[in-house]
Amino acid sequence: NAGVTQTPKFQVLKTGQSMTLQCAQDMNHEYMSWYRQDPGMGLRLIHYSVGAGITDQGEVPNGYNVSRSTTEDFPLRLLSAAPSQTSVYFCASSNRHEQYFGPGTRLTVT
Amino acid sequence: DAKTTQPPSMDCAEGRAANLPCNHSTISGNEYVYWYRQIHSQGPQYIIHGLKNNETNEMASLIITEDRKSSTLILPHATLRDTAVYYCIVFNAGGTSYGKLTFGQGTILTVHP
Repeated sequence: NAGVTQTPKFQVLKTGQSMTLQCAQDMNHEYMSWYRQDPGMGLRLIHYSVGAGITDQGEVPNGYNVSRSTTEDFPLRLLSAAPSQTSVYFCASSNRHEQYFGPGTRLTVT
Repeated sequence: DAKTTQPPSMDCAEGRAANLPCNHSTISGNEYVYWYRQIHSQGPQYIIHGLKNNETNEMASLIITEDRKSSTLILPHATLRDTAVYYCIVFNAGGTSYGKLTFGQGTILTVHP
């Protein structure tokens, strides 16, 4: 199993650009989440999904959209990038008690 | 979900046991205690979880007090590779809350040679 994969690993955007961070898992987990981690901080939940077709907002959802058309994929879209969205983004999938995290996408917005 | 309190940092000598404390005095009856760690800038890694009883797996042991208001994660023989930020999270894993972990600041564990 590949577990949770994220692409790209690194990305630089200009203010106002849009992009999609990809996340995929091969563990057939119903639950998937997106977090961001700013320097020296803990992770904060952006959006999460409890199954295909079902998504909801986390702690810091503004500026981000998600969709869940399949169990495997959970992309995160930045609508109009801002410098405040410079961060490391982690995707995770989970069974009831264990959350599996991807390696992260390091995003810089200039 | 209940709030947790952890010391910001701890040191441990290589080969010795590392005991990481966590206070969760407002924990409710259906909330579990979870421990994750984050090594350098990698994604967090699940370590262990428990409800009432002490738990042990290949990575660590979790000791939960009888009143469940605090717990201790024990790494029995710490190695340099155990240097990481350790997060204690209290969480109700029922319903539709599976993916909604709340990470605090954690404890930075530094293992010295």
